[in-house]
Amino acid sequence: GQQVMQIPQYQHVQEGEDFTTYCNSSTTLSNIQWYKQRPGGHPVFLIQLVKSGEVKKQKRLTFQFGEAKKNSSLHITATQTTDVGTYFCAGRRDSGYSTLTFGKGTMLLVSP
Amino acid sequence: SQTIHQWPATLVQPVGSPLSLECTVEGTSNPNLYWYRQAAGRGLQLLFYSVGIGQISSEVPQNLSASRPQDRQFILSSKKLLLSDSGFYLCAWSVQRNQPQHFGDGTRLSIL
Repeated sequence: GQQVMQIPQYQHVQEGEDFTTYCNSSTTLSNIQWYKQRPGGHPVFLIQLVKSGEVKKQKRLTFQFGEAKKNSSLHITATQTTDVGTYFCAGRRDSGYSTLTFGKGTMLLVSP
Repeated sequence: SQTIHQWPATLVQPVGSPLSLECTVEGTSNPNLYWYRQAAGRGLQLLFYSVGIGQISSEVPQNLSASRPQDRQFILSSKKLLLSDSGFYLCAWSVQRNQPQHFGDGTRLSIL
């Protein structure tokens, strides 16, 4: 079945440092979505990427979708303590009827 | 605007007891509905999804079941809980299967 892998599993940074999480799929994806889950909370949708090579920005967050539509990344510039949480990517296979497959997430801890 | 309600927020049940978790969505019609389990605060495992009343697809074999008696109501059940059923259960909805998913606040289930 489809697998979506995320690295790293965990990262601890100092406030102001940059952070990147990577997402790789074993199959070509029709789209990729990113979610953030704060400690004790539920996942919240951040963004969806659909086009090959697409890049989208939300303030300090930059999202990329690979040219082959099999990988994606989320980069946070100058992290803040409010960025703490687990970031999940989720992708859907580019054929047939399939549901979203979530990666295991990257837990980000930011120290002041 | 659309809202999703999930209850209870926390639940402690003995092994072998039954389970019923309810999820309702307001402000939209014919949503796609999902039940996920998140173990140990990490990855999301899709348990069931539904594209319409009475239509349930199971992603993993287990002692859990789901039902959709009404358009915007999704119920997760078990006749006899196992210790391994402990976890954080999340309900979610989307307009269509490839659209962003919106999660409820979740139920933290502990089996004793």
